[in-house]
This record gives sequence, C-alpha cells and structure tokens, in this order.
Amino acid sequence: ETGVTQSPTHLIKTRGQQVTLRCSSQSGHNTVSWYQQALGQGPQFIFQYYREEENGRGNFPPRFSGLQFPNYSSELNVNALELDDSALYLCASSSEQGSNEQYFGPGTRLTVT
Amino acid sequence: AQRVTQPEKLLSVFKGAPVELKCNYSYSGSPELFWYVQYSRQRLQLLLRHISRESIKGFTADLNKGETSFHLKKPFAQEEDSAMYYCALIGGSYIPTFGRGTSLIVHP
Repeated sequence: ETGVTQSPTHLIKTRGQQVTLRCSSQSGHNTVSWYQQALGQGPQFIFQYYREEENGRGNFPPRFSGLQFPNYSSELNVNALELDDSALYLCASSSEQGSNEQYFGPGTRLTVT
Repeated sequence: AQRVTQPEKLLSVFKGAPVELKCNYSYSGSPELFWYVQYSRQRLQLLLRHISRESIKGFTADLNKGETSFHLKKPFAQEEDSAMYYCALIGGSYIPTFGRGTSLIVHP
C-alpha cells in the first residue's frame, strides 16, 4: 500500500508569485483534502476534492484553487502569494467523501519572502 | 460555526503519571470527533475517533455532549507518548476543524 506523497518538500517564493503544490493520494483513496498549517497552529482546512470535483471549502480566498485528476492525485494552486501564505501545506486522502479517516502526507513547507 | 479549543499548549508529566489532554468543541449538531497525533519527524496520523469507542495505545476519549468535550486520557503515560496531539471535529458539511494542538512531554 502506497502512502500519501507530496512534492516539493519545501520551496521559497516571492510575494506576488504563483505556486503549485502536488499530492498523490494513498492507493484506493478517491478523496483529497488540503490544509494550511501555520507555525504553532493546527491544520486549517482549505478544500476537499472528491472524484475531481470540489466538495467543500474552508475560509480561504479564491486565489487558493485546486484540481483533482482521474488518478485522484491533486494540485493546490495559490496565486498572488502573500507573506502570510508562508506555512506547511498538508494533503490528506481518504476513501470516503466525508473525509472521516484521513491519511496525511508529510507536507510542503512554503516560504514567501 | 464550529470551533475546537485545546486550552493547553503544553502538558508535561512524568512517566507513569495519568494524562488528560483537554478538548472542548462548539457545534450545534452532532459532530464526529477525532484525536490525531504527530510524533517527532513523523506525519500526522489518526489516533482514535469517538464513533469507534476503542482504546488505542492505552488512550481513550469519551464524547461528553453536555460539556461539549472530548478529552483524551491515559492512566499511565509512557515516554513514547511524547508527541503533538490535535483534536478535530467534523460537522454536517464534512468540513473538518482542528484545534491548535497540545504538545505532550513525558519525562523519564
């Protein structure tokens, strides 16, 4: 069984730039959720994708967008980066739409300067 | 709006002592509650969920709807329990909310 993988591990961007983060879900999982975890905080839900459709969204602006592909891998895109976007971005996959039992990836550390 | 509060940022105990990590929630309906754990240099992983009512690694958590709490307990802490613990809630819209986490340190 292959676990959740994320790429890249870390990256540095400049304010105003755009970034794409990638996630491969665990084998057999069709649902992917993305979270932002700022330093010293718990994960904050960005959105969830189920069978290539957005299935729920947290309190994040439209410049945070995503995609899910037929193989259930997913991308998180963030446009017009701001300094406050610096955080650990976590991807989690689950086998059900309700994301009740999620398996997390190692995260991508994004630094915006 | 749903909210999860973990009042303690840090909990420090000695090996063999009882442990209780507090979690209070705010939600108008019937939530699903979870505890996730993150050991050093490992990824976040599910510890237990209130629906299953099971004990994992000696930890238990009971949902108290009257007090809107879901505290995590273990009667005798072990050094390997040292980790970051997050309480999480999922409401009717399937949007999960996590608490800010409690760092548990178990001293030898």
